[in-house]
Parts: sequence; C-alpha cells; structure tokens
Amino acid sequence: GNSVTQMEGPVTLSEEAFLTINCTYTATGYPSLFWYVQYPGEGLQLLLKATKADDKGSNKGFEATYRKETTSFHLEKGSVQVSDSAVYFCALTLNTGNQFYFGTGTSLTVIP
Amino acid sequence: NAGVTQTPKFQVLKTGQSMTLQCAQDMNHEYMSWYRQDPGMGLRLIHYSVGAGITDQGEVPNGYNVSRSTTEDFPLRLLSAAPSQTSVYFCASSYSYRGGKGEQYFGPGTRLTVT
Repeated sequence: GNSVTQMEGPVTLSEEAFLTINCTYTATGYPSLFWYVQYPGEGLQLLLKATKADDKGSNKGFEATYRKETTSFHLEKGSVQVSDSAVYFCALTLNTGNQFYFGTGTSLTVIP
Repeated sequence: NAGVTQTPKFQVLKTGQSMTLQCAQDMNHEYMSWYRQDPGMGLRLIHYSVGAGITDQGEVPNGYNVSRSTTEDFPLRLLSAAPSQTSVYFCASSYSYRGGKGEQYFGPGTRLTVT
C-alpha cells in the first residue's frame, strides 16, 4: 500500500541548532512528496514539495531531497528559529491516484 | 481569494445529535477532501470528491456523509454524533487530483467535542 513514516517527536532544539526530521515512504506508484507545517491553532500549510527523484524542494531555509533509492524525503534546516516551532507533516500523493497520504506529524519546539 | 473557509470554528454536541460542518473554496478546485486530526494519529481521510457530483470514501468514513452539489462547497454531515468523533476536522482542496502534483490547501479547522 501507500504510507508515510515520520520520526517520532516531540523534538526540542535550541535556537540556531541544525534540524533533521526523517521521512520515509512506501508507494505503489510514482509519488510526489510534500512537507506541510501546522502552526498552533491553524490549518496545514505547504512548506515545500518535490515531484520527481533527485528534486530538491526548498522554502524559508528548509530543504528536502526526493531520494528514490532510499524512499526518503528528510526535512532539514541549518539554523532553526523560535518561530519554526510547529508540527511538521510529510505527505505523498501518487501521480495516478486521487488520495493524499500523511505521516503522523513531528512536533518541533525551538527554545531561545 | 478567501481560500478554504470552514464553519463553525468550534462546536460542542451531545451524543446522538447531528450537524453539518461547512467547507467552501473560491479557487475553482476540482478536488476537495475532509480529514480528521487526532493526537498521535496524524491526518486521516474521511471522504473526498474529485468534482461536483462525485464523492468517495477515505480511510475512516463511518458515521459521516458528504455531498458535492457545486464545485465550491463540500459539507460534512455527522449523522448521529458519538464521543469517538471528538476531533479537529480539516477541509482541504486541490486544483486537480490528476498527475499527483497539486498540493492541497487547508482550511483553519473545526474543533468538535461530543459529550
């Protein structure tokens, strides 16, 4: 089947630390991959995406590379800020499908 | 554009009551969907629609009904509320489900409590 597995949280980092949130996927076809972010009390917002192997999505200092050989799409940021505190969701959708599949979310707290 | 709007923002129901969660989008999106978000379980798909007049079940459809009479609106009906339906509900839309490239746009959510 199709599924997304994210690293368990919560994650707590000091400001300016390096962030990695792991995401791996299983897909029956060729997926597009996404990272969404949810700030407290809000809906999900698209953070970045990649639609084919070796593509790198980037936005607001966050990056993720679509790795087909390891079925992964890990989220990274070189220097986190307090304002990055949120829940991050990895997701996929198939090019031939009509559903989106989300991971369980990883809560990030950045402390000053 | 208002994007995806949801009403109400908060709702408390008694067991057995029915209600409709409203969702509307003004982006002329084909694809609309409803998710519930529960702690430790991420987002689970309830129902989705790939166009007006077309709906289908997601992962957790029991206890919920949907209809799509217009492109803009996709209401979610709780037929007889149960405490297990206490959750945060999100509506989302996407330009097209075809090709799998379209990201989803989410509404702000409805926090539902069933007592």
